[in-house]
Amino acid sequence: QKEVEQNSGPLSVPEGAIASLNCTYSDRGSQSFFWYRQYSGKSPELIMFIYSNGDKEDGRFTAQLNKASQYVSLLIRDSQPSDSATYLCAVWGNTGKLIFGQGTTLQVKP
Amino acid sequence: GAVVSQHPSWVICKSGTSVKIECRSLDFQATTMFWYRQFPKQSLMLMATSNEGSKATYEQGVEKDKFLINHASLTLSTLTVTSAHPEDSSFYICSAIAGTSVFFGPGTRLTVL
Repeated sequence: QKEVEQNSGPLSVPEGAIASLNCTYSDRGSQSFFWYRQYSGKSPELIMFIYSNGDKEDGRFTAQLNKASQYVSLLIRDSQPSDSATYLCAVWGNTGKLIFGQGTTLQVKP
Repeated sequence: GAVVSQHPSWVICKSGTSVKIECRSLDFQATTMFWYRQFPKQSLMLMATSNEGSKATYEQGVEKDKFLINHASLTLSTLTVTSAHPEDSSFYICSAIAGTSVFFGPGTRLTVL
């Protein structure tokens, strides 16, 4: 089992819709959870992080964490074509390292 | 967010030469920096953890004698790819911890001919 798993996609949504990106992790001792956006040929850009169970909202983005289920998600409201990118889930665990999932490609169609 | 820079942004070299990549934290001090490598259409793979004033910790399968890491100050870590070969061609990205978040540099694209 991979430490951090994401559906590689592509996930295709129409412009204006809600995009839902999911991630599961294996280390129950994981402490912090990050969502990064990566455009092709560029380095990851931090969208937001979460470390407490529940929801955390920042603009059009909402991160959701459920430690019991070892599940973290990212919702993007009012999706725009400029949101088309690869979204990386990353988990900070007891190892003191940031471990990445393989990323989910999001396509927002005009 | 915090700013991490890398230099150079891209480099082309001949097989057998060595290449040094710099990673700097511009507006904060970074005791720990991380080096990642990313091949096309793949996720980031952690190569090593760079600790200021001590030896780097390498991930399994990463040759420490080939990928030399030096974290000489709280704002600078360097990765030297020694005797580079075409299979080392990749996108190398560093990151640093700032507060409770991890920020990435813009990456260095290495092409070995």
